[in-house]
Amino acid sequence: DTEVTQTPKHLVMGMTNKKSLKCEQHMGHRAMYWYKQKAKKPPELMFVYSYEKLSINESVPSRFSPECPNSSLLNLHLHALQPEDSALYLCASSRQGANEKLFFGSGTQLSVL
Amino acid sequence: GEDVEQSLFLSVREGDSSVINCTYTDSSSTYLYWYKQEPGAGLQLLTYIFSNMDMKQDQRLTVLLNKKDKHLSLRIADTQTGDSAIYFCAETSGSARQLTFGSGTQLTVLP
Repeated sequence: DTEVTQTPKHLVMGMTNKKSLKCEQHMGHRAMYWYKQKAKKPPELMFVYSYEKLSINESVPSRFSPECPNSSLLNLHLHALQPEDSALYLCASSRQGANEKLFFGSGTQLSVL
Repeated sequence: GEDVEQSLFLSVREGDSSVINCTYTDSSSTYLYWYKQEPGAGLQLLTYIFSNMDMKQDQRLTVLLNKKDKHLSLRIADTQTGDSAIYFCAETSGSARQLTFGSGTQLTVLP
């Protein structure tokens, strides 16, 4: 199994809603990542978890809250988002961490109304 | 900081070869990657090369690395319509420790 699975594929939410994005991998990878990608732009790193601990937070607003319940799962909790947060949110994993190839999920396309 | 640059657009005829170029600034880059992204999809790792190599071939894909000029290229032989996508060059280094992406090259394959 070389897949990173993300759910849901599409999400529309209002600015007062609370929702969660989910990511799962069964490759035994110990590093997991959240990226944000605007149309036609490269992905921007948001968070990195290494061995289930948050190791990097790229100054992401607190309305985005990551969670790593175990080594296979990664969540991104969303609350009080703004329309400019509309983007493709990509999860990725790598074997251990830095300087290793990343495997990406297919993403969640988020629209904030 | 680290910088990775690519041209934004490339159009080729079906059956021709495509060459997508990338330049980077970090001389301590360790791995260099090529990712493919089709519309509405995530990034697919196509191939990668370690910095002590100068060429890697994998079926229709050939990666060339000129470490002196900090130039990386991806050649796709016999380009097909299914190769139409955005191609991202990316690198990791000891200093950055995380992937630095280029801006992406939109490859359009014309019939």
